[in-house]
Amino acid sequence: QKEVEQDPGPLSVPEGAIVSLNCTYSNSAFQYFMWYRQYSRKGPELLMYTYSSGNKEDGRFTAQVDKSSKYISLFIRDSQPSDSATYLCAMSGIRWGNNNDMRFGAGTRLTVKP
Amino acid sequence: GAGVSQSPSNKVTEKGKDVELRCDPISGHTALYWYRQSLGQGLEFLIYFQGNSAPDKSGLPSDRFSAERTGGSVSTLTIQRTQQEDSAVYLCASSPRDTEAFFGQGTRLTVV
Repeated sequence: QKEVEQDPGPLSVPEGAIVSLNCTYSNSAFQYFMWYRQYSRKGPELLMYTYSSGNKEDGRFTAQVDKSSKYISLFIRDSQPSDSATYLCAMSGIRWGNNNDMRFGAGTRLTVKP
Repeated sequence: GAGVSQSPSNKVTEKGKDVELRCDPISGHTALYWYRQSLGQGLEFLIYFQGNSAPDKSGLPSDRFSAERTGGSVSTLTIQRTQQEDSAVYLCASSPRDTEAFFGQGTRLTVV
């Protein structure tokens, strides 16, 4: 069993739809949860960052963490064609830059059709 | 530029040849990571450098893979006697302590 499971999709939605992206994990030591967005032929860029359980909102994006269920989600409201990308979840036990225990999901490929 | 720079962007090599991939991190970032991304797979950790400490090489898949970081800045990932299964995108990331890392655009390696 992988430490982080993420459905690779692909996921296709019409413009304006609400998108839900999810990951599950097995390591209860994870405390920092991140979502990266990766456009085609580009490196991943950090989109959202959450510590422990709870919700975090940034514009059209909301990240949720449920540590009791070992389940994290990213919601995109009013999706736009420019949101078309691969979304990777990532998590670690301590803040990045101090070690190498960051683990990534496989990434979900999202297409938002005009 | 201010971002992480990787070169080359694309590399096609024949099976059995050696390749070198370069990463220029953001100035002042003490941590540097190499990851490998294969189609449909997540980012696979390869190696981690932090300041002057000994690197964590636990993710290197075989002894054909090696990496060095000179002067705490530029890093080179070397793959010897390349195999077709080495074909992937190799990503470099750098980070100051206690904050998120920034990725380069990656090197797409194709072994034919």
